[in-house]
Amino acid sequence: QQQVKQSPQSLIVQKGGIPIINCAYENTAFDYFPWYQQFPGKGPALLIAIRPDVSEKKEGRFTISFNKSAKQFSLHIMDSQPGDSATYFCAASSSGTYKYIFGTGTRLKVLA
Amino acid sequence: DAGITQSPRYKITETGRQVTLMCHQTWSHSYMFWYRQDLGHGLRLIYYSAAADITDKGEVPDGYVVSRSKTENFPLTLESATRSQTSVYFCASSHQIYEQYFGPGTRLTVT
Repeated sequence: QQQVKQSPQSLIVQKGGIPIINCAYENTAFDYFPWYQQFPGKGPALLIAIRPDVSEKKEGRFTISFNKSAKQFSLHIMDSQPGDSATYFCAASSSGTYKYIFGTGTRLKVLA
Repeated sequence: DAGITQSPRYKITETGRQVTLMCHQTWSHSYMFWYRQDLGHGLRLIYYSAAADITDKGEVPDGYVVSRSKTENFPLTLESATRSQTSVYFCASSHQIYEQYFGPGTRLTVT
């Protein structure tokens, strides 16, 4: 019940395409869902996060869609660029625990 | 503004040796965390700390020891390293419960 399932494991898109990464969870106590971006040799960096009281959040070219009833959330990258090539992790956390449960990651490659 | 730093960045050690990975943050964040990253497993929490002298186990604590005598430091010790502890280790910190900020990582190889 503590797992966060992330798919796909890897993704290749053309420049300008809209890659979509999906995550699903079981624990209904989760109330914070961040996405992290990680470049090779670097630590993960917080990209965008959402709470379940909203269904969508946008920051620049990055959008999180959240479906509370399905217990799923997704990251969309609009007008993707080669510089977006990285590994993306979703995570979930619940109030009072400050512990993240991470997905297994998606390696994204954007072709020029 | 150094933020969060880890040392060493790379370490090779032998099975059975004790190894300490250092983590230092300059933000005075209350919360600090240690993760290990392995292919196919994502990031898994080893230990975390809510404040100085308060630590607790995460998902994969066996074989690891932590301490936190000062808010800014959170060292992770492998008491007797094993090959299964070969991994990339990340330290993170957080001012509030959410929004964790990660260090650059330490790549540890146990031979």
